Amino acid sequence: AQSVTQLDSQVPVFEEAPVELRCNYSSSVSVYLFWYVQYPNQGLQLLLKYLSGSTLVESINGFEAEFNKSQTSFHLRKPSVHISDTAEYFCAVSLHSGAGSYQLTFGKGTKLSVIP
Amino acid sequence: EAGVTQSPTHLIKTRGQQATLRCSPISGHTSVYWYQQALGLGLQFLLWYDEGEERNRGNFPPRFSGRQFPNYSSELNVNALELEDSALYLCASSKGLAERTQYFGPGTRLLVL
Repeated sequence: AQSVTQLDSQVPVFEEAPVELRCNYSSSVSVYLFWYVQYPNQGLQLLLKYLSGSTLVESINGFEAEFNKSQTSFHLRKPSVHISDTAEYFCAVSLHSGAGSYQLTFGKGTKLSVIP
Repeated sequence: EAGVTQSPTHLIKTRGQQATLRCSPISGHTSVYWYQQALGLGLQFLLWYDEGEERNRGNFPPRFSGRQFPNYSSELNVNALELEDSALYLCASSKGLAERTQYFGPGTRLLVL
């Protein structure tokens, strides 16, 4: 069965500093990868995704993530964070094939706190 | 384009009662997924419906059930509520089997007293 590990449960960072939120996955088959963001008392918003093609994917608000197949990682980065980036970030995978291939398996989330 | 909508936003029930949660997918989406986000347990897959059929279910007891209507909206029913069913229930939709990207609604927060 597949699994997702987000190594840091909480990441505090000063405003305008860079940040990296780590995500590693385990799967016996190829996967699709996603990052979602959840603001307090809200649902999940899709931040970015890797389905195929270029291993570096970017979002419209400055985040990027790189799929590294050899390290089974999909770390999320931003070169300069803003107060508004304070939220919880979830990494998720779905399988290319096999039983249960369509549902998402999530990591436990990383709470990003941006300090003024 | 309207996003995924869920109702009600909040629901308070007592142990043993039944809860019904509703979800309307994005227009043109045929798949609906349900997830439970409980404190300390993270996000867990509950059910997947596509074209009116249940396609898969997660590791939850049978008292969690649902259905998908001809207009692709969906209902999640939880019978014989237990205290540990208190959670945020999230619905997501996608364009069916051809698309893997899921878009989430705002959720229904269920509190069981």
